[in-house]
Amino acid sequence: DADVTQTPRNRITKTGKRIMLECSQTKGHDRMYWYRQDPGLGLRLIYYSFDVKDINKGEISDGYSVSRQAQAKFSLSLESAIPNQTALYFCATSDKGTSGNTDTQYFGPGTRLTVL
Amino acid sequence: GENVEQHPSTLSVQEGDSAVIKCTYSDSASNYFPWYKQELGKRPQLIIDIRSNVGEKKDQRIAVTLNKTAKHFSLHITETQPEDSAVYFCAALRSNYKLTFGKGTLLTVNP
Repeated sequence: DADVTQTPRNRITKTGKRIMLECSQTKGHDRMYWYRQDPGLGLRLIYYSFDVKDINKGEISDGYSVSRQAQAKFSLSLESAIPNQTALYFCATSDKGTSGNTDTQYFGPGTRLTVL
Repeated sequence: GENVEQHPSTLSVQEGDSAVIKCTYSDSASNYFPWYKQELGKRPQLIIDIRSNVGEKKDQRIAVTLNKTAKHFSLHITETQPEDSAVYFCAALRSNYKLTFGKGTLLTVNP
């Protein structure tokens, strides 16, 4: 969906380097998410944010940190990258439904990260 | 927390046949069940979803059924076409909580 963008789309880095992946959205959604995708393991949640002042750990947050700079921006950082963080990373957004339920998630195009 | 099991992990069918993918969930409070399709090299995209107050939902060749008592839901694709080939993910969500995905099913439709 063109309303959710991620930069960079591809990145190759070395062990120990700090990496930041950025996500921007023009959907006006309050809720943003970072997922990691590995073959055979599906989509695993790293961090999520229900609004600018809210940050929550997902199921695999170790080795990652996030920053919610604004409603439209949610960044994922790897402070010291390691090879097993090589994966496809997706950002997603969702709106807060009328009854407070989290609704459909819209994904960005993904960032392919390789850590050598 | 929620646990979503998805089967099969791979599915191969002939064009025109039907395909069924099944998922089970563990949290009885889950009330929203989306299905995503991910084509090779692309992002996951929602194809159909169902809420817990509905037992079945259809959209052209795609249908989803939900059995709350048994805590399982299924995706049904009829008259499959080669362009249906992709990885399909089920997911379950509890209100104001996070979405939990199954591990995915690679569907191959052979011409």
